[in-house]
Amino acid sequence: QKEVEQNSGPLSVPEGAIASLNCTYSDRVSQSFFWYRQYSGKSPELIMSIYSNGDKEDGRFTAQLNKASQYVSLLIRDSQPSDSATYLCAVNSLAYGQNFVFGPGTRLSVLP
Amino acid sequence: ETGVTQSPTHLIKTRGQQVTLRCSSQSGHNTVSWYQQALGQGPQFIFQYYREEENGRGNFPPRFSGLQFPNYSSELNVNALELDDSALYLCASSLRLGSSTDTQYFGPGTRLTVL
Repeated sequence: QKEVEQNSGPLSVPEGAIASLNCTYSDRVSQSFFWYRQYSGKSPELIMSIYSNGDKEDGRFTAQLNKASQYVSLLIRDSQPSDSATYLCAVNSLAYGQNFVFGPGTRLSVLP
Repeated sequence: ETGVTQSPTHLIKTRGQQVTLRCSSQSGHNTVSWYQQALGQGPQFIFQYYREEENGRGNFPPRFSGLQFPNYSSELNVNALELDDSALYLCASSLRLGSSTDTQYFGPGTRLTVL
């Protein structure tokens, strides 16, 4: 089992819809979870971090964390074509000395 | 803009050569992590430097080595380059307090091509 898995893409949603991105992780003691957005040919940029169970909202973005299920998700409301990118889930991992492990990413396309 | 800079932007090398990539961390950050990102994959953790010492390493061979300087800038060195080393190399800076790695901010990356 891979340490961090994400739903396989590409994911296509129409403009204005809600995009739902999912991530599961295997290290039960992970404490910090991050979502990054990466445009083609660019480096990852931070969208949100989440540390506690429940929801965390920032503008059109909502991160959801369930440590018991080892699951973290990102919802993008009112999706825009500019949201089209690859979304990376990152988890801190005890196996790597509390360093980050990234998932493979989910490619999102928002269709006008 | 994250304040993290990397040089060079692009680099072409031949198999067997050696390469050095450089990174300047964001002001106030004391930790630098290096990642390799192959096309279509997520970043893979190479190692982290904290207070000039290696602090965690991923599944990369010893020919991948690094340094961190007193001003917290860092270098990634790769010896005996192989074709599979072709990738985007990312540097991320963060403020490490205690045992946990805080939010990491990425530089623009160095695209390395090995021929």
